[in-house]
Amino acid sequence: AQSVTQLGSHVSVSEGALVLLRCNYSSSVPPYLFWYVQYPNQGLQLLLKYTSAATLVKGINGFEAEFKKSETSFHLTKPSAHMSDAAEYFCAVSVGNTGFQKLVFGTGTRLLVSP
Amino acid sequence: EAGVTQFPSHSVIEKGQTVTLRCDPISGHDNLYWYRRVMGKEIKFLLHFVKESKQDESGMPNNRFLAERTGGTYSTLKVQPAELEDSGVYFCASSQKTLLAGGTDTQYFGPGTRLTVL
Repeated sequence: AQSVTQLGSHVSVSEGALVLLRCNYSSSVPPYLFWYVQYPNQGLQLLLKYTSAATLVKGINGFEAEFKKSETSFHLTKPSAHMSDAAEYFCAVSVGNTGFQKLVFGTGTRLLVSP
Repeated sequence: EAGVTQFPSHSVIEKGQTVTLRCDPISGHDNLYWYRRVMGKEIKFLLHFVKESKQDESGMPNNRFLAERTGGTYSTLKVQPAELEDSGVYFCASSQKTLLAGGTDTQYFGPGTRLTVL
């Protein structure tokens, strides 16, 4: 079964530091992978998605993620953290038959940014 | 263009009562999904509509949960009778495409309804 694992329920960084949020997937077929972000009191917002077009995917707000098949990873990075990046981040994989897909999520990682 | 909206944003009910959650997808989106996040755990799929038809309800916990999407527009999720373990945040998402030849479509999420069962 396809699944994702997010390492670390909480990650703390200082403003201006590198952000690295880890996601590993398990899939028997080439996966479609997503990162979503949830800001306080808001819904899930798509940051970026991997659909096999390119292994390095750029998203909104300066985030990017690299698909590494050999490591079954899709880690999310941002070179310099901003206070506004404080939120909860979810990695997800799309599963299902063609036309009928659902998302399987990781447990989420809460990013804390300190001044 | 309006995003996915959900109502209410919060609901607090007693065990045994009934609650109905509503989701309005993005206009023109045929696919509508319900997910749930129980506190401290991952967001889990409940079911998927294509227009008014249920395509996959494999994630529905039990028969106390009833989802409808009459007319293929908005959807409701009714919990009757509610139990303590039903507490959590219920998310609705919608996507536009019905995929015929592979690929994937982006799901757009609403803000969720936080349900508390006392």
